[in-house]
Amino acid sequence: DAKTTQPPSMDCAEGRAANLPCNHSTISGNEYVYWYRQIHSQGPQYIIHGLKNNETNEMASLIITEDRKSSTLILPHATLRDTAVYYCIVRVRLDAGNMLTFGGGTRLMVKP
Amino acid sequence: EPEVTQTPSHQVTQMGQEVILRCVPISNHLYFYWYRQILGQKVEFLVSFYNNEISEKSEIFDDQFSVERPDGSNFTLKIRSTKLEDSAMYFCASREGKRNTIYFGEGSWLTVV
Repeated sequence: DAKTTQPPSMDCAEGRAANLPCNHSTISGNEYVYWYRQIHSQGPQYIIHGLKNNETNEMASLIITEDRKSSTLILPHATLRDTAVYYCIVRVRLDAGNMLTFGGGTRLMVKP
Repeated sequence: EPEVTQTPSHQVTQMGQEVILRCVPISNHLYFYWYRQILGQKVEFLVSFYNNEISEKSEIFDDQFSVERPDGSNFTLKIRSTKLEDSAMYFCASREGKRNTIYFGEGSWLTVV
């Protein structure tokens, strides 16, 4: 699996967009970018994933650069409940492997 | 929304005792996992299970660990002789099929004293 690099921590003002970057310069063509988050020792929660096109769902948007070497998770209107550790994971689509490998993630603090 | 449920939420056990952590995966899911997270550390993969057998396991998953799907709904993790370093949050997870997202339970916090 490609290694990912994320800033260890970020702050965001409540109501503003939170933009969480992830570098995955060694990503290969069949690897997806997955984002999960973990709110204070709860179970990791799936957010979104993508291959090369930008993706959006009810939780977030995922922007992947054209060369696929980096991506950004966007929480459009961050709330206090979005305070969590956000994990960017690069993985061959799950049918080619079974598990996710978690790194250190980015600790996002949403402040009033 | 369907969810993975785990019991107990918290268990304290004496060193050397056996512990069984229980999980009820989402009902139509076929792939099952256990992960653990020692306090302040990363979430670590332990084992994956499909078609009534282990499909992958990590170095952490040694002979003191075992998993079982005793019936159509439960998925258990057994630690035969607990050690202090087994103290951690244990997460069960499941997914429907090969191409689907992995969903995690809320965890079972194990404290070995």
